[in-house]
Amino acid sequence: DVKVTQSSRYLVKRTGEKVFLECVQDMDHENMFWYRQDPGLGLRLIYFSYDVKMKEKGDIPEGYSVSREKKERFSLILESASTNQTSMYLCASQREGRETQYFGPGTRLLVL
Amino acid sequence: AQTVTQSQPEMSVQEAETVTLSCTYDTSESDYYLFWYKQPPSRQMILVIRQEAYKQQNATENRFSVNFQKAAKSFSLKISDSQLGDAAMYFCAYLGGADGLTFGKGTHLIIQP
Repeated sequence: DVKVTQSSRYLVKRTGEKVFLECVQDMDHENMFWYRQDPGLGLRLIYFSYDVKMKEKGDIPEGYSVSREKKERFSLILESASTNQTSMYLCASQREGRETQYFGPGTRLLVL
Repeated sequence: AQTVTQSQPEMSVQEAETVTLSCTYDTSESDYYLFWYKQPPSRQMILVIRQEAYKQQNATENRFSVNFQKAAKSFSLKISDSQLGDAAMYFCAYLGGADGLTFGKGTHLIIQP
């Protein structure tokens, strides 16, 4: 089975802090994704990556950056956290192309 | 840009009955994939069913089946013999080109015992 893990289930941070959310997959998948989930809005794509050191902006990249130094790990970075970034963050991985995406358990982030 | 619309924010069904969740999408592409994902309360999002647009046959996974109408851009999910464990948020999602999924806003499914 595909396993996607995220570093924290719950996180509380202060406004202005730098926040790192980490995602690791164990299936040697090429593609990895970060989504944000908000009630009534569904999931929205923040960033994705097709290869190590490669990144592409999704629909809502503002205020976020990403890093993919190793194939199995994809990090989401909030350079200066703001209250409007309080949300559930979901990571997903995909073998390639149009294959099924597999999701991690999510990180619920609260920015105070 | 592609859009996915789930017009039912919440649905309720009696245990053992059948329920259909609706989904429509908008795209100019001819080759794409559609998915239904299930997200139980405080639990991981998991794939329920997947449909390739080039396949005319509707996908089926045990009690879950879809009604895929490509011309109408409709992709509904039918759950037969509903069980308490089916209670969850259900998301319809579209995958076209080489980027991420486009999700609908979700339907909250309640199973009445």
